[in-house]
Amino acid sequence: GESVGLHLPTLSVQEGDNSIINCAYSNSASDYFIWYKQESGKGPQFIIDIRSNMDKRQGQRVTVLLNKTVKHLSLQIAATQPGDSAVYFCAEALPYNQGGKLIFGQGTELSVKP
Amino acid sequence: EPEVTQTPSHQVTQMGQEVILRCVPISNHLYFYWYRQILGQKVEFLVSFYNNEISEKSEIFDDQFSVERPDGSNFTLKIRSTKLEDSAMYFCAMSGRAGELFFGEGSRLTVL
Repeated sequence: GESVGLHLPTLSVQEGDNSIINCAYSNSASDYFIWYKQESGKGPQFIIDIRSNMDKRQGQRVTVLLNKTVKHLSLQIAATQPGDSAVYFCAEALPYNQGGKLIFGQGTELSVKP
Repeated sequence: EPEVTQTPSHQVTQMGQEVILRCVPISNHLYFYWYRQILGQKVEFLVSFYNNEISEKSEIFDDQFSVERPDGSNFTLKIRSTKLEDSAMYFCAMSGRAGELFFGEGSRLTVL
């Protein structure tokens, strides 16, 4: 079946440290992945995406790594700040011939200690 | 990045009542989505809407749910007879150029 899940439900880091949030997906046909950040009471906010023809993509302080061999996705946040505290979801976009919708993982709550 | 406005921000209703949640995209889009998030859980797909028709719906989206684009701009989600388990955040989303989804701030539905 299709599913996207996260290895850890919570992650606590010190301010200034790097954070790594992991995600596993099961649909090997998925060709597009997105990381979202959700702060309390708000909608998911797009952070970064990656297509299956890439292994790595960098944004501002964030990097997404894709390992298609083991169907694993990770989000790295450099120099984590208190404002990074939120729940992070990975989402898997099914191919258009399977509907094309986003399937979300369970989410990892990132807590940044000052 | 498209902007999405949702109303109401919070709706409290009695079980069995009808609820309409509204979504207003700032720019013109063809693809619209509704997602639901029960408190503390993941975001779940409800329905996708393309060119004024439902293109896909999940098993959550039963006969009690309907979507419309009544006036060409607003995009609505109607729940005909609410149940306690319909209490959740409901998010409207639009697709960006690369296929990513941009979400509104959500409408919180509380069914008593």
